[in-house]
Amino acid sequence: GENVEQHPSTLSVQEGDSAVIKCTYSDSASNYFPWYKQELGKRPQLIIDIRSNVGEKKDQRIAVTLNKTAKHFSLHITETQPEDSAVYFCAAAFGGGFKTIFGAGTRLFVKA
Amino acid sequence: DGGITQSPKYLFRKEGQNVTLSCEQNLNHDAMYWYRQDPGQGLRLIYYSQIVNDFQKGDIAEGYSVSREKKESFPLTVTSAQKNPTAFYLCASSIAGGEETQYFGPGTRLLVL
Repeated sequence: GENVEQHPSTLSVQEGDSAVIKCTYSDSASNYFPWYKQELGKRPQLIIDIRSNVGEKKDQRIAVTLNKTAKHFSLHITETQPEDSAVYFCAAAFGGGFKTIFGAGTRLFVKA
Repeated sequence: DGGITQSPKYLFRKEGQNVTLSCEQNLNHDAMYWYRQDPGQGLRLIYYSQIVNDFQKGDIAEGYSVSREKKESFPLTVTSAQKNPTAFYLCASSIAGGEETQYFGPGTRLLVL
């Protein structure tokens, strides 16, 4: 069935360093790939997304890359700050369906 | 996000009791979803609805029921058949199903007494 794998499950970086989170998906019909940030006890919030007709998208310190041939996509956070500490979820929306499949999440710690 | 609300914030359930979680949105979205999140885990889909008066089971529908009588509302009932209901429940909505951004409510934390 449809599946999204996310790595690593935990990531610890020093403030100012970069963080990279990687996801792979199983259904080649997927065309939409959002990333959500969830702070402790709060709702997930969209931080960036990418569609399959685009290879890379950037928004200030956050960027997402997509490789449709290899079926993987990645989140890049540069110049990390303590407020970036949260759980990040990748997701893939499967074309023709109404389900978005979420990865298991990456807990990011940014040490000051 | 401010357009989708959930209540209550905390809910306590006694054994054998059915409880209902409320989800309301004023975003004029057609699609709505319910997810369950366990500590340190990802989001698992319970039910989703593409349009009023229609809903489909997700991956973990057993022990749960929903209704979609109005576009704005998608309540979730946790029945006594759900033996391990303690979790954080998130409701979401999107303009349409499929390849659209989902916007989440603030969540309801359900605890068993």
